[in-house]
Amino acid sequence: GENVEQHPSTLSVQEGDSAVIKCTYSDSASNYFPWYKQELGKGPQLIIDIRSNVGEKKDQRIAVTLNKTAKHFSLHITETQPEDSAVYFCAAWTNAGKSTFGDGTTLTVKP
Amino acid sequence: DGGITQSPKYLFRKEGQNVTLSCEQNLNHDAMYWYRQDPGQGLRLIYYSQIVNDFQKGDIAEGYSVSREKKESFPLTVTSAQKNPTAFYLCASSQQAGNEKLFFGSGTQLSVL
Repeated sequence: GENVEQHPSTLSVQEGDSAVIKCTYSDSASNYFPWYKQELGKGPQLIIDIRSNVGEKKDQRIAVTLNKTAKHFSLHITETQPEDSAVYFCAAWTNAGKSTFGDGTTLTVKP
Repeated sequence: DGGITQSPKYLFRKEGQNVTLSCEQNLNHDAMYWYRQDPGQGLRLIYYSQIVNDFQKGDIAEGYSVSREKKESFPLTVTSAQKNPTAFYLCASSQQAGNEKLFFGSGTQLSVL
């Protein structure tokens, strides 16, 4: 089955710096890659996603890049703010509707 | 205000007891899902339902049961057969089966007394 590895497990940055979180997947049939932000005691919220026919997608300070050959995709957050502090999860979906989530990255943005 | 409502926010289970977690959505979504989240781990799929009166086992269905009698409701029962039930439980929905855009509820923290 699919295996998704997410790194790093914790990330601490200064306000205004960039943060990068990387996920690798094993199943070449995976074709949809969402990123979720989860604040303490709440459910995950979709922040950006990318499909396998696209290499990069950007939404204001957030971007996701996908390298299908290497089977990895990354979340990039620029100009980080304290409110960006949360746990971030990646996931990989196959067209059969099967999803696998990464273990999460705890991002701390220091003011 | 459309969304997914999970209740209760906190739940305690005694040994040998079955408990039921509620999940209601008013998004008119066909598909609903239950995930389990343990500290430091990703979400694992317990059960999912693509349509009313139909549901499928996920990766960790043992010790759990569900029903889907109404489109807007997908309750999860944690039975006494689930020996390690302490976890954060998340309900989600998507517009239709095969649509991967998930909308999550705010979760239920289940603990064992």
